[in-house]
Amino acid sequence: ETGVTQTPRHLVMGMTNKKSLKCEQHLGHNAMYWYKQSAKKPLELMFVYSLEERVENNSVPSRFSPECPNSSHLFLHLHTLQPEDSALYLCASSQGRAGVGTQYFGPGTRLLVL
Amino acid sequence: ILNVEQSPQSLHVQEGDSTNFTCSFPSSNFYALHWYRWETAKSPEALFVMTLNGDEKKKGRISATLNTKEGYSYLYIKGSQPEDSATYLCALNSGYSTLTFGKGTMLLVSP
Repeated sequence: ETGVTQTPRHLVMGMTNKKSLKCEQHLGHNAMYWYKQSAKKPLELMFVYSLEERVENNSVPSRFSPECPNSSHLFLHLHTLQPEDSALYLCASSQGRAGVGTQYFGPGTRLLVL
Repeated sequence: ILNVEQSPQSLHVQEGDSTNFTCSFPSSNFYALHWYRWETAKSPEALFVMTLNGDEKKKGRISATLNTKEGYSYLYIKGSQPEDSATYLCALNSGYSTLTFGKGTMLLVSP
């Protein structure tokens, strides 16, 4: 148990659906991250939030929309996804300067887009 | 785009064997190097954060070294156990707000 929870753990959605992934951290951290893990590829950073401000958007398509309402919660809103977006989506949090400190990961949401 | 390479891609050893893997990174873009351990169906777990050239860190039977001048880090596992089976990831921070991950080394330890 890392102190970072993600829901749902598994999600199947059609290309026209709208869904949201939720991440919550109970560690008092000030930075939160979304990563994508596709088969045979390294973990790819999608978004970074530091003190609730987005500081990094790694050329992610607009069909992925992040939201950070407070320092403990991070959402990833999904809309009109493509089958190639099927992947494991991991959330992480850290303390101090974003990207520098140890990141604590959630268990991930396994997404399948049909 | 930073290139973080890990080798080997996978490794299969017997219980009791010692093993090591490599993480290579561009030495000109170094701020910190992270090692994570990722067991199947679990969250990646932080092992070490290393910042200084020549750093050596240890956690039980696992240790890591860092050479920032030549751009590599080694992870060693002494006397591997089946519970060490996992994917070991390294990640480079080059001073900005991001971590660049390698593809990982998948270790399988057979009893």
